[in-house]
Order: sequence, then structure tokens, then C-alpha cells
Amino acid sequence: ETGVTQTPRHLVMGMTNKKSLKCEQHLGHNAMYWYKQSAKKPLELMFVYSLEERVENNSVPSRFSPECPNSSHLFLHLHTLQPEDSALYLCASSQGGGTWGVDEQFFGPGTRLTVL
Amino acid sequence: AQTVTQSQPEMSVQEAETVTLSCTYDTSESDYYLFWYKQPPSRQMILVIRQEAYKQQNATENRFSVNFQKAAKSFSLKISDSQLGDAAMYFCAYRSADFGNEKLTFGTGTRLTIIP
Repeated sequence: ETGVTQTPRHLVMGMTNKKSLKCEQHLGHNAMYWYKQSAKKPLELMFVYSLEERVENNSVPSRFSPECPNSSHLFLHLHTLQPEDSALYLCASSQGGGTWGVDEQFFGPGTRLTVL
Repeated sequence: AQTVTQSQPEMSVQEAETVTLSCTYDTSESDYYLFWYKQPPSRQMILVIRQEAYKQQNATENRFSVNFQKAAKSFSLKISDSQLGDAAMYFCAYRSADFGNEKLTFGTGTRLTIIP
């Protein structure tokens, strides 16, 4: 595997379910991100982890819970979601860690989430 | 807070022709980075081109070039000799040059259609 991978690619869940999205990066990066992509809206940054510490939580509801056990893996735990949470969830990684200079983000293919 | 505006939700261009996608941004910072990302249908978002604000010279990557007007806060993308594989959503993004600030701010995107 190369780059940034995400599983599952598609997920359908009921509002009472608990599920997790997984992201893995094979680039040796120090920073990882979760974004939410909804139709006709800008990508919304949800969480940023740098050197395995959460450095940003962009006012995300508590029904979304991130976890970064190491610099290569990032999870997004979901519980009691709402239909309006249906979207494409993108993971990205970058060299990060306070790298000086332009810091390109590499994106995964996303998980298409549908909440019924 | 920074904002990024893409005023063209959809654009189309004849194959082999040239098309320009517009992007404007608002910031009070003097040093920052600008990016164009491409998201083909059902595929990963990839970086097309980037520009450092301190550089006066416009960035170029093969058929892709930008027109960076710092005073006007404008950052347009020109695609020359358009190809069918250029069909995608294009997102303009802004990132501060502050040390350790990895946050990207995206526009709403422009859907580009290539007409054979």
C-alpha cells in the first residue's frame, strides 16, 4: 500500500449504530487530518493531529470521536449520528510537526457515509 | 479568519482548448501558501499546483499555470490544451505560513467538464 488509505470506502449506518472509520498513511508523515466534504460546501476541517497529539478540534459535535494511536493511523469513531452527517469523510496527512515551509497534504480516497 | 471564494460552481471547455478557473481569498497575513487541488470523480484529491505568496513568479506545472495577483488577492488556475482526464472538481485552498499552522482553508470548488 502506498500513500493514504481509508477503510471502509462506503458505510451505511443507522442513527443508533456505532462504527469507526480508519485511515492509514504510508508516507512517514507526522500530521494527520479529518475533513468532512458535503455537496456545495467547502471542505470542513474536523480534527488535526500533529505528532499524535490533537492540535485542533474545529467545534465538531461529540458524536464524532477521533483517535490517533500512532503517527501512521487515525480513526474516527462514530456514534448516534444524524442524517445530516451523511457526507464524504476525507483523511489527509502531511509532514507536519511544525515543518518549516510549504507542507503539502496528501489525501485518502474518502469514506462515503450514509446515515439512515 | 481566512476565507476562499470560488465563484464558478461549474465550467466547461472544449478538448484541447484553454480554461481559467478563478479563486479569490481574504486574509490579513502577508505570508501564506495557495494551492489548487483536483478531485476526479470517485478518486483521490491530488495537488495540482502551489504558490508561495512571497514569490512574485507565477507557478507552472506542465499544462497548469496560475495567475497570482497578491494585491488583488486573486489566484486563478489556467489549464492549457485541456484533456478528458482533466475533468474533475477543482478546489482552491489557502494555508498560513505561520510555523506549525497546518490548517488548509478550501473554497467550494469548481466542477470542470471537458467536451470532446
